[in-house]
Amino acid sequence: DAGVTQSPTHLIKTRGQQVTLRCSPKSGHDTVSWYQQALGQGPQFIFQYYEEEERQRGNFPDRFSGHQFPNYSSELNVNALLLGDSALYLCASSGTGAYGNTIYFGEGSWLTVV
Amino acid sequence: QKEVEQNSGPLSVPEGAIASLNCTYSDRGSQSFFWYRQYSGKSPELIMSIYSNGDKEDGRFTAQLNKASQYVSLLIRDSQPSDSATYLCAAIYNQGGKLIFGQGTELSVKP
Repeated sequence: DAGVTQSPTHLIKTRGQQVTLRCSPKSGHDTVSWYQQALGQGPQFIFQYYEEEERQRGNFPDRFSGHQFPNYSSELNVNALLLGDSALYLCASSGTGAYGNTIYFGEGSWLTVV
Repeated sequence: QKEVEQNSGPLSVPEGAIASLNCTYSDRGSQSFFWYRQYSGKSPELIMSIYSNGDKEDGRFTAQLNKASQYVSLLIRDSQPSDSATYLCAAIYNQGGKLIFGQGTELSVKP
């Protein structure tokens, strides 16, 4: 049973560029959330997708956008990259019903903006 | 503003001792609480979840929840050097909602 998978694991981008990160949730999970974790901080919630809709959003600018596909996988897009966007981006999956509030994280995507 | 606060680290304990990690939360409506372990350069790994007042034990780990005091703790018995990591406390307000994390406490277990 595959857990949460994310790609790419590491990437370097230049200021002003755009980046797309991808996530496949754990089998049986239908909800995907994205978090940003800066060095030395706890993860910060970006947004959550359920049934291909953005259900909740944290305090992140519109440069951060996402999408969920019919197979529950998800993408996080960040436009006009800033140096401050350098962080570990975590995808978390969870489910309804029996899965309740159990939330699992993928290995993350390390983004460095130079 | 829903917040989760953790003890500032680093916390250093000798091998075999009990490590005690603490966390407070501001929103009385928070329903579920989680402890994640994060090794340097890795993603958070769920080690305990707790939803009801009292203690919950899993191997060497015990989570404690006191909703009246808005306090969550994690005890690690017989601490091992492999337990050295950052421990993140998180709260969730409603089922299916977002996790709100504390800043994490770095634990160092000395041989």
